[in-house]
Amino acid sequence: DVKVTQSSRYLVKRTGEKVFLECVQDMDHENMFWYRQDPGLGLRLIYFSYDVKMKEKGDIPEGYSVSREKKERFSLILESASTNQTSMYLCASTGGSGNTIYFGEGSWLTVV
Amino acid sequence: GNSVTQMEGPVTLSEEAFLTINCTYTATGYPSLFWYVQYPGEGLQLLLKATKADDKGSNKGFEATYRKETTSFHLEKGSVQVSDSAVYFCALEEVYDMRFGAGTRLTVKP
Repeated sequence: DVKVTQSSRYLVKRTGEKVFLECVQDMDHENMFWYRQDPGLGLRLIYFSYDVKMKEKGDIPEGYSVSREKKERFSLILESASTNQTSMYLCASTGGSGNTIYFGEGSWLTVV
Repeated sequence: GNSVTQMEGPVTLSEEAFLTINCTYTATGYPSLFWYVQYPGEGLQLLLKATKADDKGSNKGFEATYRKETTSFHLEKGSVQVSDSAVYFCALEEVYDMRFGAGTRLTVKP
């Protein structure tokens, strides 16, 4: 069965802290994505990666960075967390254009 | 650029009612179209998809037809159940550019 696993479901961090959100997929997919989901705004793309060590900015990359050192793992980094980054973060992967995109269960981040 | 507009919610229906959630899109080329569903506390999961014009996607009693002439992909179900209560997202994908609508929350009451 297809699996995208996000390491943390619920986190509470302080303003200014560095935050790591980890995502692992077991489908050998080339493409991985990080979205944030906010009420009324749907899903907004932060970054995506189409290969190891490759990354592309999405619609809202400011305040975030990513790391893809291995094909199965795509990490989202908040260099200095701020309260406006309180959100639900969703990781996803897909094997190619037109293919189904598979999502993790989400990570709820609260920045206080 | 590409975008998706879907019907605003929330939508509240009684069990066995007919459901339509409207979705229209703007795309520069020939995207694939999807409906995803998010149950409470979970990530998104694929409900159905269509990859070219006039294709009909279907799953679990839900259907949607890719209409190029009206740039639409409306979701329908003839008889909803309480277990269909969730948030529904329309999405398009064109060469890795994946866009989602804002989501429509559906509540089905017994």
